[in-house]
Amino acid sequence: EPEVTQTPSHQVTQMGQEVILRCVPISNHLYFYWYRQILGQKVEFLVSFYNNEISEKSEIFDDQFSVERPDGSNFTLKIRSTKLEDSAMYFCASSEHQSQIGQPQHFGDGTRLSIL
Amino acid sequence: AQTVTQSQPEMSVQEAETVTLSCTYDTSENNYYLFWYKQPPSRQMILVIRQEAYKQQNATENRFSVNFQKAAKSFSLKISDSQLGDTAMYFCAFMKPAGAGSYQLTFGKGTKLSVIP
Repeated sequence: EPEVTQTPSHQVTQMGQEVILRCVPISNHLYFYWYRQILGQKVEFLVSFYNNEISEKSEIFDDQFSVERPDGSNFTLKIRSTKLEDSAMYFCASSEHQSQIGQPQHFGDGTRLSIL
Repeated sequence: AQTVTQSQPEMSVQEAETVTLSCTYDTSENNYYLFWYKQPPSRQMILVIRQEAYKQQNATENRFSVNFQKAAKSFSLKISDSQLGDTAMYFCAFMKPAGAGSYQLTFGKGTKLSVIP
């Protein structure tokens, strides 16, 4: 069964450094998402992306964050200048074209980001 | 804004028994979707079951079924014949449109389920 893949599985970065988290969505999916889960807390929506632009973003997704689909397969989340509070598990998800509304989102295994 | 509440932080069940995980939500939306996701220790988020709010019939998926009470805004998950592989964190999630055909998931805090041999 096709799946969403995320790399790296664990990223350790010094505070203030830039970090890029990478995701390869399922190949025929057109909608892409990033979520964040701080340790011990709920999973939170960050951003949705369709047709090479952001569809919606949460208040967490401030100017330090950006997303990009640099080629036909990768979907990246960049944090420009990391802060301690950015430490979390970051999940990428994708879903099919909404020919049938309410398609479920399929998640990757996540990238654990640790800011020192 | 939507909120999803899972009032049971942890639960345990004997292997082969049945367990029910509770979830309530609050929304002013009329058309939405509800999901249960499972996150085992391997941390992957796995879709368990899905319910469309406009459908009165409760969704079932093998040993997993839901009790969807729209008026009460309740969406519980029943796991029958529990297996050791069911040990995981279970998240209830509410999905609403987020623009341009995409959807946004709002998650509860999760219930940690342990299946005891």
